[in-house]
Amino acid sequence: QSALTQPASVSGSPGQSITISCAGTSSDVGAYDYVSWYQQHPGTAPILIIYDVTGRPSGVSNRFSGSKSGNTAFLIISGLQAEDEATYFCNSYTASGTQLFGGGTILTVL
Amino acid sequence: QVQLVQSGAEVKKPGSSVKVSCKASGGTFSSYVISWVRQAPGQGLEWMGSILPVIGTPNYAQKFQGRVTITADTSTNTASMEMRGLRSDDTAVFYCARESPPGGELRQWGQGTLVTVSS
Repeated sequence: QSALTQPASVSGSPGQSITISCAGTSSDVGAYDYVSWYQQHPGTAPILIIYDVTGRPSGVSNRFSGSKSGNTAFLIISGLQAEDEATYFCNSYTASGTQLFGGGTILTVL
Repeated sequence: QVQLVQSGAEVKKPGSSVKVSCKASGGTFSSYVISWVRQAPGQGLEWMGSILPVIGTPNYAQKFQGRVTITADTSTNTASMEMRGLRSDDTAVFYCARESPPGGELRQWGQGTLVTVSS
């Protein structure tokens, strides 16, 4: 299985909103509402920020939100802050009962 | 709250094997799925496979089938991942993580174990 497709990088200024896309297929992203998103800062383990497409774990800022349309999922970060600068990975459950990650998107806060 | 503590860094020769462990505390170990994820230096995350300790039957990504073995010991609350036939491009940080049903999102992660493969 090929990785889900994410843009390599995105950028935005403090206070702005950005959207990161995650393109899959009808066998993964399009098949289930089991898309999750992870934030990873250099040298640290990933942290779950969105689950089940739109769910937000306790303690995660409400500036992070998720959505899905067809075979593509989206992570939206509003009110960008310097601390949001990190790499973001999407993940989907698949029809074969496995999981699949995206290639990751580096977010730069200008 | 579940905590996962992994074994320490390893340096291995090409062709050898490595076994990384992941000890869980908090929660009921046998009833939650543990996944393993690989991250090569500067690269993305790769889901390798998972196991539900109470069942004991692992589920592997096709890429790792046949070269990786995932096990779980409910008596010690420890999951393990063994990789055989190591190559230099297997140099990576390996993470264990707990899945939450039904969607399998990875809510708690171990600290990661760096495995370096070098002659």
